[in-house]
Amino acid sequence: GQSLEQPSEVTAVEGAIVQINCTYQTSGFYGLSWYQQHDGGAPTFLSYNALDGLEETGRFSSFLSRSDSYGYLLLQELQMKDSASYFCALFSGNTGKLIFGQGTTLQVKP
Amino acid sequence: EAQVTQNPRYLITVTGKKLTVTCSQNMNHEYMSWYRQDPGLGLRQIYYSMNVEVTDKGDVPEGYKVSRKEKRNFPLILESPSPNQTSLYFCASSTTYSPYEQYFGPGTRLTVT
Repeated sequence: GQSLEQPSEVTAVEGAIVQINCTYQTSGFYGLSWYQQHDGGAPTFLSYNALDGLEETGRFSSFLSRSDSYGYLLLQELQMKDSASYFCALFSGNTGKLIFGQGTTLQVKP
Repeated sequence: EAQVTQNPRYLITVTGKKLTVTCSQNMNHEYMSWYRQDPGLGLRQIYYSMNVEVTDKGDVPEGYKVSRKEKRNFPLILESPSPNQTSLYFCASSTTYSPYEQYFGPGTRLTVT
């Protein structure tokens, strides 16, 4: 089957850098996505890695290593508004399914 | 404004009373999907649809039905709701070219007593 694992909680201070890891078990997938969800809100798309390597979007970067079945989301220059849950997700081209990890709650402290 | 809408946003119902949660998108997306979110379990896909008249089961389809008669609409039907279907439900849509980038509706919080 397919599964993803993320840490349940991460805490960091404002201005710092934090990395949220995601390991997965699957086959035949297209790539790894990352979503952000604030309390009471809907998930919003952050980034996608189709190929191995680093993708950068402003303060956020995402990395994928298919050989290691591993990816991470890197948040730089943390701001209080970055406090949210972050989900990694796999899209399986074979099935059309999108599988989400259980999410990592990031708490940014002043 | 490009968006996914869901109705109702909040619903309290009783066991066994059939209900429908509507979902509509105005982005001409082919791919639509329903998820439920429960504490500690993340988002789990219930059903998805790659296009009109094409639907497939996700990971947790039991107790749910869907239909895709029009491209913009993808209603979720609970024929006989049970308390274990109490959850936060999200509808989402995307193009088939970028199914990894899904646009989510605001969510429907359902309570079944």
